[in-house]
Amino acid sequence: QVYLVQSGAEVKKPGASVKVSCKASGFIFTSFGISWVRQAPGQGLEWMGWISAYNGNTNYAQNLQGRVTMTTDTSTTTAYMELRSLTSHDTAMYYCTRAGDALDMWGQGTMVTVSS
Amino acid sequence: QSVLTQPPSVSGAPGQRVTISCTGSSSNIGAGYDVHWYQQLPGTAPKLLIYGNSNRPSGVPDRFSGSKSGTSASLAITGLQAEDEADYYCQSYDSSLSGRYVFGTGTKVTVL
Repeated sequence: QVYLVQSGAEVKKPGASVKVSCKASGFIFTSFGISWVRQAPGQGLEWMGWISAYNGNTNYAQNLQGRVTMTTDTSTTTAYMELRSLTSHDTAMYYCTRAGDALDMWGQGTMVTVSS
Repeated sequence: QSVLTQPPSVSGAPGQRVTISCTGSSSNIGAGYDVHWYQQLPGTAPKLLIYGNSNRPSGVPDRFSGSKSGTSASLAITGLQAEDEADYYCQSYDSSLSGRYVFGTGTKVTVL
């Protein structure tokens, strides 16, 4: 069974950073990429970026360039997404996904709330 | 932010057929990139419903079908059931702006 298990909910103050983890199991981690997708409350899906678990190459959404960093640890088959300089607009559910031809497996989501 | 346009909502009675359109442009769907569809039930993570324009992953009922033509794609649900009430998103790839994945605006399907 393929699983993506994410870290727990976070509450951050404006200006802070958050790092969300995504533990993969049940497949060859380095054969896929990991994409991160977020969803603000009551809103649609927003693609944040992609990282190759094979070589660490990344491709970030333009509106997040400079604030987001995606990494992987192949020894623990875990992907990470760090978002800096948080504002209230970053309050959302954050999902990691297995990225092959499509986003065929999703984590359960991590709620990040930014509030003073 | 979304560059793929979907109707905000569609509805139908149980057993009916509904379709959801996904309109893009020459830099995404029209450029030949595949379209994928996701179903998001209330309070849950999205789930892949259709991949590669018209293919169903294992376990997805054949009531769901996808198609693509030109700069648009469509998702059809035949024999609508109560459990199909959910949000549906199309997704493709866009070659502009250094390339990125793009999602549709999302469509809420209501079973009357």
